Amino acid sequence: EVQLLESGGASVQPGGSLRVSCAASGFTFSSYGMSWVRQTLGKGLEWVSAISGTGSGTYYADSVKGRFTISRDNSKNTLYLQLSSLRVEDTAVYFCAKSVDPRYQFDSWGQGTLVTVSS
Amino acid sequence: DIQMTQSPSTLSASVGDRVTITCRASQSISSWLAWYQQKPGKAPKLLIYKASTLEIGVPSRFSGSGSGTEFTLTISSLQPDDFATYYCLQYNTYFKTFGQGTKLEIK
Repeated sequence: EVQLLESGGASVQPGGSLRVSCAASGFTFSSYGMSWVRQTLGKGLEWVSAISGTGSGTYYADSVKGRFTISRDNSKNTLYLQLSSLRVEDTAVYFCAKSVDPRYQFDSWGQGTLVTVSS
Repeated sequence: DIQMTQSPSTLSASVGDRVTITCRASQSISSWLAWYQQKPGKAPKLLIYKASTLEIGVPSRFSGSGSGTEFTLTISSLQPDDFATYYCLQYNTYFKTFGQGTKLEIK
């Protein structure tokens, strides 16, 4: 059974940094693309970033480009998102999601981790 | 960026009703569209991908259609478990975008 477990969410001040993680199990992690999707409280879903199975390809939404960095450690079956220069509008639940390739639909999701940016 | 316009934003219906939700893309996305169901406090669940392919384990009362810029999700006979929020997702490129969501409420 596929399991994705996010962690690392916290409350930070504007301009601060944070790293969130997603521990994966139940599938061959290195063979799948992974993404981060966020959901603002009471609002909709926004794709944030994606990474290929090998980690050689990374993709970012314009809203986070230059501030967030996606990475993965296939030896640890773990996906990461480094969030820097955080803004109030980055406050959201951050989900990790799995896909056959970063180009395709998400077929499994984690339960999310809450990042709050507030002074 | 490709914009996805989903309608209606809220839909009130009764158990047994047939309901349809629509997503329109700002440019052609071929059939690169998925539908998700989300319940409060939970992660989205994949229902349909490539516009009309039912994900394994999803009940056959769910169906999807469309191509190009207009797509629909139909639930043929609403069940109590179906009251949730539904989102479309375009994945024509790596830079994916979601519709704004449709909250399906009990009438």
